[in-house]
Amino acid sequence: QKEVEQDPGPLSVPEGAIVSLNCTYSNSAFQYFMWYRQYSRKGPELLMYTYSSGNKEDGRFTAQVDKSSKYISLFIRDSQPSDSATYLCAMSGNQFYFGTGTSLTVIP
Amino acid sequence: KAGVTQTPRYLIKTRGQQVTLSCSPISGHRSVSWYQQTPGQGLQFLFEYFSETQRNKGNFPGRFSGRQFSNSRSEMNVSTLELGDSALYLCASSPRTGGEAETQYFGPGTRLLVL
Repeated sequence: QKEVEQDPGPLSVPEGAIVSLNCTYSNSAFQYFMWYRQYSRKGPELLMYTYSSGNKEDGRFTAQVDKSSKYISLFIRDSQPSDSATYLCAMSGNQFYFGTGTSLTVIP
Repeated sequence: KAGVTQTPRYLIKTRGQQVTLSCSPISGHRSVSWYQQTPGQGLQFLFEYFSETQRNKGNFPGRFSGRQFSNSRSEMNVSTLELGDSALYLCASSPRTGGEAETQYFGPGTRLLVL
């Protein structure tokens, strides 16, 4: 079983839609949870990180962690064409564990 | 603060050659990790260095090696290149000292093409 599972998509939504991206994980010891955005042919860019369970909001982005279900989510409100990218979830343990990424396209 | 820098940004090599990639972490970060990213396999962990010592290693053959210098700069080396080594190689630095760290920050990557 992989440490982190993420639906690769692709996901295509109209501009202005609310986007929900999700990951599940197997190791209950993970405490830090991250979301990265990666544009084509660029390095991943950190969007936000959270510690333990709960929500964290930053502008149009909300990260949610449910440790009891081993499930994390990233919500994007009022999605824009510039949000079109691959989104990677990650968790911190003795090393960093990454999902395979979800490809998102926001159509104008 | 300056971000993570990687050199070179692009590289073309032929099979059998070797290559050395360089990474300068964010100032104050002592942990440097290397990843290989390909369309089919996603982000694969190569190794992590902390204070000049390899702390973790992924499941890659011995042709892939790395080192870290006293100023935390890191290099990775791939010997006897194979076509399948064509990938984006990413370096990431973290403020972690021991145990978990809240996050790590990536450089722009070095795109390696092996012909």
